[in-house]
Amino acid sequence: EPEVTQTPSHQVTQMGQEVILRCVPISNHLYFYWYRQILGQKVEFLVSFYNNEISEKSEIFDDQFSVERPDGSNFTLKIRSTKLEDSAMYFCASRRDRVDTEAFFGQGTRLTVV
Amino acid sequence: AQTVTQSQPEMSVQEAETVTLSCTYDTSESDYYLFWYKQPPSRQMILVIRQEAYKQQNATENRFSVNFQKAAKSFSLKISDSQLGDAAMYFCAYRSVMNRDDKIIFGKGTRLHILP
Repeated sequence: EPEVTQTPSHQVTQMGQEVILRCVPISNHLYFYWYRQILGQKVEFLVSFYNNEISEKSEIFDDQFSVERPDGSNFTLKIRSTKLEDSAMYFCASRRDRVDTEAFFGQGTRLTVV
Repeated sequence: AQTVTQSQPEMSVQEAETVTLSCTYDTSESDYYLFWYKQPPSRQMILVIRQEAYKQQNATENRFSVNFQKAAKSFSLKISDSQLGDAAMYFCAYRSVMNRDDKIIFGKGTRLHILP
């Protein structure tokens, strides 16, 4: 069964460093998303991406964040100059098309900023 | 803006018994989707069940069923014959049908414990 794949599963980084979280969505999917879950809190929307551009972004998704689909298969989330409060689980999700109701989630990347 | 509220941070149920998780939401839209996601200790988000708001019939997936009350904006999840593998965090979620606003809005979750 096709699935969304995220790498790495766990990333530890020093405060102020840049990190890139990687996702491989399901191959025929067109809509891509990043969500964040701070430990013990709810899952929050960060950004949606369609047709090589951002469709919507939340207030959390400030200039520190960027997304890219560099090669037609990977979908990356870059966090510049990480802060302690960026420590969270980051989930990638994809959806096939606009009439499809279900978004498939990856297993998440746990980011720890020290 | 839409909101999703889960008022039960934690619940426990005896194995083989039935449990109902509550969820309410707020929206001004007339058509939308509602979901229940399960997050086991592995932290992966797994879709349990979904409901289209225009459908009056409550969705059912094996031991999982919902009670969708559109007027009351209530969307509860019933798990029958609870099993140890059902222990997880359960998130109620909302998504607009409008294509430009397709983000999923999650509640804070209910942690479900299954007692052997």
